Amino acid sequence: GAGVSQSPSNKVTEKGKDVELRCDPISGHTALYWYRQSLGQGLEFLIYFQGNSAPDKSGLPSDRFSAERTGGSVSTLTIQRTQQEDSAVYLCASSLRGNTIYFGEGSWLTVV
Amino acid sequence: AQSVTQPDIHITVSEGASLELRCNYSYGATPYLFWYVQSPGQGLQLLLKYFSGDTLVQGIKGFEAEFKRSQSSFNLRKPSVHWSDAAEYFCAVGAGGGATNKLIFGTGTLLAVQP
Repeated sequence: GAGVSQSPSNKVTEKGKDVELRCDPISGHTALYWYRQSLGQGLEFLIYFQGNSAPDKSGLPSDRFSAERTGGSVSTLTIQRTQQEDSAVYLCASSLRGNTIYFGEGSWLTVV
Repeated sequence: AQSVTQPDIHITVSEGASLELRCNYSYGATPYLFWYVQSPGQGLQLLLKYFSGDTLVQGIKGFEAEFKRSQSSFNLRKPSVHWSDAAEYFCAVGAGGGATNKLIFGTGTLLAVQP
């Protein structure tokens, strides 16, 4: 596609439920990233995929968070047993290795 | 560890006035530096980037930034601000062994523009 596409754009979920956030990167981009932006905070790195290499999961805040990337393209970020502190904007981005990172518009998650 | 500091949380300038947004970084090697802008309800848009070479880099929308190694800074400037520049601005450093393997962001500077 023309840009990084994320869905859903908005999600309200009850505490304790699981959520899945989807990212469709720019066609041909080998690198895919997930970031989290909380109110009043900067952007927090979560996870990075590059081609067939093992992902860099060093930013995942707890074992309730996981992500996968199928076929080197679409990625899903899963949050299990959501907590109120998980409320944030989850941003996906993609790039060709070593080049400019392009961001999607984000998925706004609210846990009530 | 790599880090980015944006000391100004919120700045207000008058339309037509000049602008400088501060960014300081901590990184052991030659940094890859970026400025992104985020308008309300929008994703992040790259304004400019520094990888190497000329320390004064030009970006989109009339912005420029200067890399100063001695000061570990990469300040963003614009000579004349437009009302449409009101947004949040993020400085970032590329970490993780490659230019864009992992970006470490500052906490952002929110710019308001007065008529």
